[in-house]
Amino acid sequence: QKEVEQNSGPLSVPEGAIASLNCTYSDRGSQSFFWYRQYSGKSPELIMSIYSNGDKEDGRFTAQLNKASQYVSLLIRDSQPSDSATYLCASLQGGKLIFGQGTELSVKP
Amino acid sequence: GAVVSQHPSRVICKSGTSVKIECRSLDFQATTMFWYRQFPKQSLMLMATSNEGSKATYEQGVEKDKFLINHASLTLSTLTVTSAHPEDSSFYICSARDRRQGYNEQFFGPGTRLTVL
Repeated sequence: QKEVEQNSGPLSVPEGAIASLNCTYSDRGSQSFFWYRQYSGKSPELIMSIYSNGDKEDGRFTAQLNKASQYVSLLIRDSQPSDSATYLCASLQGGKLIFGQGTELSVKP
Repeated sequence: GAVVSQHPSRVICKSGTSVKIECRSLDFQATTMFWYRQFPKQSLMLMATSNEGSKATYEQGVEKDKFLINHASLTLSTLTVTSAHPEDSSFYICSARDRRQGYNEQFFGPGTRLTVL
């Protein structure tokens, strides 16, 4: 299986700022991408899915996909301390979700 | 999103005993469920894919006789850790894909934290 890469962080942003999380993938055949949020000691929670090139917005979250560059990102606007968690990027390959190692985000009050 | 439940949420057992973990899709039917394991500060590791009415498909390096998976119905899959040892202590998470909308979104249960003494 091919890889999904994320910066492990930690990424620290002040409250109210925009947090930018990045992910690259190596399988050009991947068509489906997901962002999950995982709080410490909890299971992952799906926050965004994206299937087409461009931006997809849902509340304070915007996912961006660029298949030519094999790049997926997640922007969190107006970051809140409650957004502090590990964010997992995943691509669907051969019917299986392949996860990156996760980026730890810390939002400071 | 779709709801996946898991039971128990936490279990402590003695070395050598077997532990069964249940995973249920509550508001949809899941022909395929997935079992993951996660160690502290690490990402999720897929252990096996559970298919309703057929044998599970295990990932390389996962002992199928050690981790027994049964997918008896469209809403229930079970993972049994047989003859558990301290190195099996981990966070076990099941997941299911909701295909009702025609997409591939996958939802996770709350996880089971297994501690083997």
